[in-house]
Amino acid sequence: KAGVTQTPRYLIKTRGQQVTLSCSPISGHRSVSWYQQTPGQGLQFLFEYFSETQRNKGNFPGRFSGRQFSNSRSEMNVSTLELGDSALYLCASSLVTGEGPYEQYFGPGTRLTVT
Amino acid sequence: ELKVEQNPLFLSMQEGKNYTIYCNYSTTSDRLYWYRQDPGKSLESLFVLLSNGAVKQEGRLMASLDTKARLSTLHITAAVHDLSATYFCAPLNFGNEKLTFGTGTRLTIIP
Repeated sequence: KAGVTQTPRYLIKTRGQQVTLSCSPISGHRSVSWYQQTPGQGLQFLFEYFSETQRNKGNFPGRFSGRQFSNSRSEMNVSTLELGDSALYLCASSLVTGEGPYEQYFGPGTRLTVT
Repeated sequence: ELKVEQNPLFLSMQEGKNYTIYCNYSTTSDRLYWYRQDPGKSLESLFVLLSNGAVKQEGRLMASLDTKARLSTLHITAAVHDLSATYFCAPLNFGNEKLTFGTGTRLTIIP
């Protein structure tokens, strides 16, 4: 079974630009979550989507947004990029049905550098 | 808001020794995850602990969960160099799919 895939893997952008990251979950998984990892703040939850609906949102400004499509693929968008947005962005997918075990599987991440 | 405290932050141990990483969390959680991260890589799932008293073992790693004490431990037995990595615990917020990660424990195994 294919794992979680994220594209692109690396990205360099300039302050003020916007960026869109993509995540394809494991087949059959309907929940997709996004996390930001930085050396200073560690791993922080951005948002979670389930069946095309945002169910949970972390404490990030409105510049961070996302969506999920009917095939469970998800995108996140960051507008008006700031230097502090440089991070590893991780996507996780989970089954969220039945008895579990509710594993959350992470993709390889997208490393975003803002200059 | 769920807070997670993981200690130690850094751990340097000799091969063959045993040690334990501790994960304390502040509010009710119905699941707890342990992940491993190698430098520059993503998170690799190690264990999912679902209930009070749960214990899981894989090779030289054993994880346990005490929901009453809000404490999980990751025990390393007879450490080998391949276990060098950063280990994260992450309880799941009760009622949703949000993981709150600890600060991580950077483990270095010295030959």
